[in-house]
Amino acid sequence: GQNIDQPTEMTATEGAIVQINCTYQTSGFNGLFWYQQHAGEAPTFLSYNVLDGLEEKGRFSSFLSRSKGYSYLLLKELQMKDSASYLCAVRGNDYKLSFGAGTTVTVRA
Amino acid sequence: DTAVSQTPKYLVTQMGNDKSIKCEQNLGHDTMYWYKQDSKKFLKIMFSYNNKELIINETVPNRFSPKSPDKAHLNLHINSLELGDSAVYFCASSRVTGGPYEQYFGPGTRLTVT
Repeated sequence: GQNIDQPTEMTATEGAIVQINCTYQTSGFNGLFWYQQHAGEAPTFLSYNVLDGLEEKGRFSSFLSRSKGYSYLLLKELQMKDSASYLCAVRGNDYKLSFGAGTTVTVRA
Repeated sequence: DTAVSQTPKYLVTQMGNDKSIKCEQNLGHDTMYWYKQDSKKFLKIMFSYNNKELIINETVPNRFSPKSPDKAHLNLHINSLELGDSAVYFCASSRVTGGPYEQYFGPGTRLTVT
């Protein structure tokens, strides 16, 4: 099975940087995903890491360390529209995505 | 240009009724999924079909029965609805071989059982 942990809530100021950590313990690993979910909407794909290192995509970056079972999502130059829940998900050997409980990020002016 | 669509978006029904949710994807993916997101926002896989074959079947009451008539469609039928079935149900699709592997989600169906 998979055990995925991430903080419940984070608050930051507009224009700042926020880092959301995710730790996982898995019986198989075939990649880690980050999704964004605004209230009342569907999750949308942000990033995918399968090898160690940093993946950068505009204001969002994601990092993976497989040996440590650790990932983070970095959100730079925060905007009000970034207020949302951020979900860490691990893909196991069986095609299954197991999700963490999500981190609610609140951006304040 | 809707990628993954679900109907209905809202479903309000009484305990004991039977209801269905439909899902369609036009992304050419070979695998489709049903997820349940409860009031605590935890997203949990229920079922998955790959090329019309059931590949993931989590511990879900047998009142829930998925059906995939073809690769682009996945339906979910729920018998004898219970209060605890109230949740948002998301359909998703992806590739599982060759990549990219990210799943694309439908808009969700908010089911309320009274």
